[in-house]
Amino acid sequence: DGGITQSPKYLFRKEGQNVTLSCEQNLNHDAMYWYRQDPGQGLRLIYYSQIVNDFQKGDIAEGYSVSREKKESFPLTVTSAQKNPTAFYLCASKGLTEGANSFRDEQFFGPGTRLTVL
Amino acid sequence: AQTVTQSQPEMSVQEAETVTLSCTYDTSESDYYLFWYKQPPSRQMILVIRQEAYKQQNATENRFSVNFQKAAKSFSLKISDSQLGDAAMYFCAYRSVTAYSGAGSYQLTFGKGTKLSVIP
Repeated sequence: DGGITQSPKYLFRKEGQNVTLSCEQNLNHDAMYWYRQDPGQGLRLIYYSQIVNDFQKGDIAEGYSVSREKKESFPLTVTSAQKNPTAFYLCASKGLTEGANSFRDEQFFGPGTRLTVL
Repeated sequence: AQTVTQSQPEMSVQEAETVTLSCTYDTSESDYYLFWYKQPPSRQMILVIRQEAYKQQNATENRFSVNFQKAAKSFSLKISDSQLGDAAMYFCAYRSVTAYSGAGSYQLTFGKGTKLSVIP
């Protein structure tokens, strides 16, 4: 089945440690995204990548880093510089879906990772 | 920059009844996309419906329909014959058409969400 996987589902980290969240897709999508979700907030964009070996900062990139060495993978590292890392993290990819009369490009989301800093 | 506002943090509806969730947005662009996403307790984001701004006809998907008022920059979601499985957070989102607007990423700008409860 085609889709987006994120691992792990729950992640605990001690304060001051870096941690990497995994995101893999087998949809052959070029563009991938990382969002952060906090209680009472919508999703906010951290980083995005439109092609392999290229990525751009989103609205809240401070304290995060990414890489895009393969089309299928877009890991997110939460560094110790991120002051408030406890949140729910969602990965997405964008590609074409076939509608009734045309193709439409849409973002598809993974199941998310809940990161808790102890 | 675009902003999306959902003024109803929580709403409830009786099973089988109809409910409307509100969304307003601010943009200087003339063409764009609008979306409603559903996030059930599993937290998986699911696309419910989308609307292209250049289309005057309101989008419909089974029990879900929108009321798109471009001049008023309003994009409400109507859920008919509400079911228990409709209980979730609902997010309104905006996306530019061109890659050279804003972040140039086709990124989605989300509202803060409306929590919908369905009463049996």
